[in-house]
Amino acid sequence: GEDVEQSLFLSVREGDSSVINCTYTDSSSTYLYWYKQEPGAGLQLLTYIFSNMDMKQDQRLTVLLNKKDKHLSLRIADTQTGDSAIYFCAEITGTASKLTFGTGTRLQVTL
Amino acid sequence: DGGITQSPKYLFRKEGQNVTLSCEQNLNHDAMYWYRQDPGQGLRLIYYSQIVNDFQKGDIAEGYSVSREKKESFPLTVTSAQKNPTAFYLCASSMGGSPLHFGNGTRLTVT
Repeated sequence: GEDVEQSLFLSVREGDSSVINCTYTDSSSTYLYWYKQEPGAGLQLLTYIFSNMDMKQDQRLTVLLNKKDKHLSLRIADTQTGDSAIYFCAEITGTASKLTFGTGTRLQVTL
Repeated sequence: DGGITQSPKYLFRKEGQNVTLSCEQNLNHDAMYWYRQDPGQGLRLIYYSQIVNDFQKGDIAEGYSVSREKKESFPLTVTSAQKNPTAFYLCASSMGGSPLHFGNGTRLTVT
């Protein structure tokens, strides 16, 4: 079945790098996404990666994809307090652009 | 500015009452989605619609109903048959396989 897993919590110091991990199960996924959710708000698309790519970099964000292990990671360089949020990975499943989301990782940035 | 508007932001109802959550988009997107978010469980798909006058059940459709009479609007009704309706509800839209855009959510509390 379709299942996307993430660890629930990550705490980092301001200025350090954060790495949020995700495992997924649908090997036919064409795109994998990272969304950010701030308290009481909707989800904001951060970045995405096409399944034929291994890596994508966008300013402070680096996405790594290991298709063999079905593992996706999001690295945030120079983490700031404004990065504190819940981060969701998601994969496209089926033909209707339905997203299956992970449980979300709460990132806490400490001073 | 284009976007997705969910209203109201907070909604309170007594048990046994039906309640309708509004979702409007002016992005000209064909597809619209309703997700439910509970703490520690990520997002779960309730219903989705790929085109006007057509919609499909998601993973947790029981106790919910939708309509898609206009491209811009995809209201969700939480019926009294939904056993545990208190949650954060998120509406999203997309066009042709593009990433989902989310509204800011409606927090429903049923007592």
